[in-house]
Amino acid sequence: GENVEQHPSTLSVQEGDSAVIKCTYSDSASNYFPWYKQELGKGPQLIIDIRSNVGEKKDQRIAVTLNKTAKHFSLHITETQPEDSAVYFCAASGPSSGGSNYKLTFGKGTLLTVNP
Amino acid sequence: DSGVTQTPKHLITATGQRVTLRCSPRSGDLSVYWYQQSLDQGLQFLIQYYNGEERAKGNILERFSAQQFPDLHSELNLSSLELGDSALYFCASSVGRGLREKLFFGSGTQLSVL
Repeated sequence: GENVEQHPSTLSVQEGDSAVIKCTYSDSASNYFPWYKQELGKGPQLIIDIRSNVGEKKDQRIAVTLNKTAKHFSLHITETQPEDSAVYFCAASGPSSGGSNYKLTFGKGTLLTVNP
Repeated sequence: DSGVTQTPKHLITATGQRVTLRCSPRSGDLSVYWYQQSLDQGLQFLIQYYNGEERAKGNILERFSAQQFPDLHSELNLSSLELGDSALYFCASSVGRGLREKLFFGSGTQLSVL
């Protein structure tokens, strides 16, 4: 099955700096890569996603890049703000056993702290 | 507010007991997913139901079972509970079968097994 590795597990930046979180995946059949943000006491919330036919996608201060050959993708947050502090999860969607259905496999998360 | 409702928010029980977690998906969503979140394992996919039928299965233990009812709400049953089952259990929903879809997560049920 799919395996998603996420680094770093914790990241501390100063307000205004950029933050980068990296993920690798194992199954070359995976074709959808979302990023979720989880604030304290809440469930994860989708912030951006990318499909395998796209190399980069941007939404205001957030961007995601995908390298299918190397099987890795990254989240970039520019001009970080204290409200960006949260746990960020990457995920990869690939076929589950049998190949007829797809399931989302999450990385273990990155705790981002933005210091004012 | 994601629109996904999970009850109860907290559950404290003893080893060997059985509990039921309940989830109401967003209006119009046909898929319900269950995830287990722990500090060491992260978010682990347990099971997905689509319109009442089991669609995909993850690392769900045999002591655990789930179902989705005709009104599309779902229940996750955990039996013969062990200390290691203590975790945050999330329900999520999506419009369709889950292929490249946005998942909407509830706020979770914190299960503590003592």
